Amino acid sequence: QVQLVQSGAEVKKPGSSVKVSCKASGGTFSSYAISWVRQAPGQGLEWMGGIIPISGTPKYAQKFQGRVTISTDESTSAAYMELSSLRFDDSAVYYCARGGIMTTVNGAFFYYMDVWGEGTTVTVSS
Amino acid sequence: DIQMTQSPSSLSASVGDRVTITCQASQDISYYLNWYQQKPGKAPKLLIFDASSLKTGVPSRFSGSGSGTDFTFTIISLQPEDVATYYCQQFHTLHPVTFGGGTRVEIK
Repeated sequence: QVQLVQSGAEVKKPGSSVKVSCKASGGTFSSYAISWVRQAPGQGLEWMGGIIPISGTPKYAQKFQGRVTISTDESTSAAYMELSSLRFDDSAVYYCARGGIMTTVNGAFFYYMDVWGEGTTVTVSS
Repeated sequence: DIQMTQSPSSLSASVGDRVTITCQASQDISYYLNWYQQKPGKAPKLLIFDASSLKTGVPSRFSGSGSGTDFTFTIISLQPEDVATYYCQQFHTLHPVTFGGGTRVEIK
């Protein structure tokens, strides 16, 4: 049974960057999509973006375009999410999630998210 | 982006009650909808995919229906362990993934 193990909590200054890792234990990423979802305190879920290995190109929600970089290292079954120019309202729990891929004539797309990491708390504080 | 409007935002029901949550998409998403359960302090858990398909191992008291823009999530007989927040999520192939705002379910 695959598990996703995320890196530990981070405290960052406004304007800095944070890089969160997500490593698959007992499985791989290569046949699955990887998404990053965040949740601010007391708020709902927000999809930041993800990557589908067979397409290779990350997709980002417009809100985070230019500030987020998502990548994977298949040799180590790890995924990474780097968020730059941090603001106070970036304080949240950041989840990685492994999911299915929907394949259509138009390409490969994100589907469901069925294995989640435990979350990484990022606190932006001066 | 496709907006997902969930209602109600919270509800309180008795054990054994039927609970219904709706999710409306801002445009036609066919059956491209999933439902998740999130308990406090925990990661979300996939319950239903493709609007109405129950994930293996999920109790049959959970169900989903709908297509197009209007979707429904039902707990046939609410149990104490169902206290959680439930989210819908669309995955229309031509648009970014988006979640509904969530519905908090409590026991009366």
